[in-house]
Amino acid sequence: NAGVMQNPRHLVRRRGQEARLRCSPMKGHSHVYWYRQLPEEGLKFMVYLQKENIIDESGMPKERFSAEFPKEGPSILRIQQVVRGDSAAYFCASSPPGGQNTEAFFGQGTRLTVV
Amino acid sequence: RKEVEQDPGPFNVPEGATVAFNCTYSNSASQSFFWYRQDCRKEPKLLMSVYSSGNEDGRFTAQLNRASQYISLLIRDSKLSDSATYLCVGDDKIIFGKGTRLHILP
Repeated sequence: NAGVMQNPRHLVRRRGQEARLRCSPMKGHSHVYWYRQLPEEGLKFMVYLQKENIIDESGMPKERFSAEFPKEGPSILRIQQVVRGDSAAYFCASSPPGGQNTEAFFGQGTRLTVV
Repeated sequence: RKEVEQDPGPFNVPEGATVAFNCTYSNSASQSFFWYRQDCRKEPKLLMSVYSSGNEDGRFTAQLNRASQYISLLIRDSKLSDSATYLCVGDDKIIFGKGTRLHILP
């Protein structure tokens, strides 16, 4: 049973380009969470999705950021027109259905560098 | 937004000692909590789940105090490999504490 898979592991984008980060949850997991982490800082929640639904996007910036988790395929975090301040590690985590007592497991993250 | 607070440390502890740190939470509706450890530039890894009053796994013990709204993590016979940042989160998995840095000294 493979763990949570994120790709790419490292992504370099020039200012103004688009960044697409992918997250494949563990088998059987239908809940996905995205977080951003700056160096020496904590995990900041961005968005919580279930298959085909955004459950909580209270941590998402209002502009340029979007997320989806389609019925088939990985969850995608999309950042349009990237700026230097978007440089960070982006982690996703997945958990199985079953309510709040379920454990979440993290992928290895995507390190985005905007140059 | 509900908060989760942790002492940032760092806790500098000699190898073999026992160390404990707490995580306080404000969301009284949370039923379960989770401790993660995060090594530098790595992803958080699940360490322990706390569903009722507590949980024990080898050298690690987590306890939940609902009256005072905190969870604790106790590490006995600490190893150099225990050096990491320890994060706590409630069952919403949304508000993580900022983490407690632990350095085990040889």
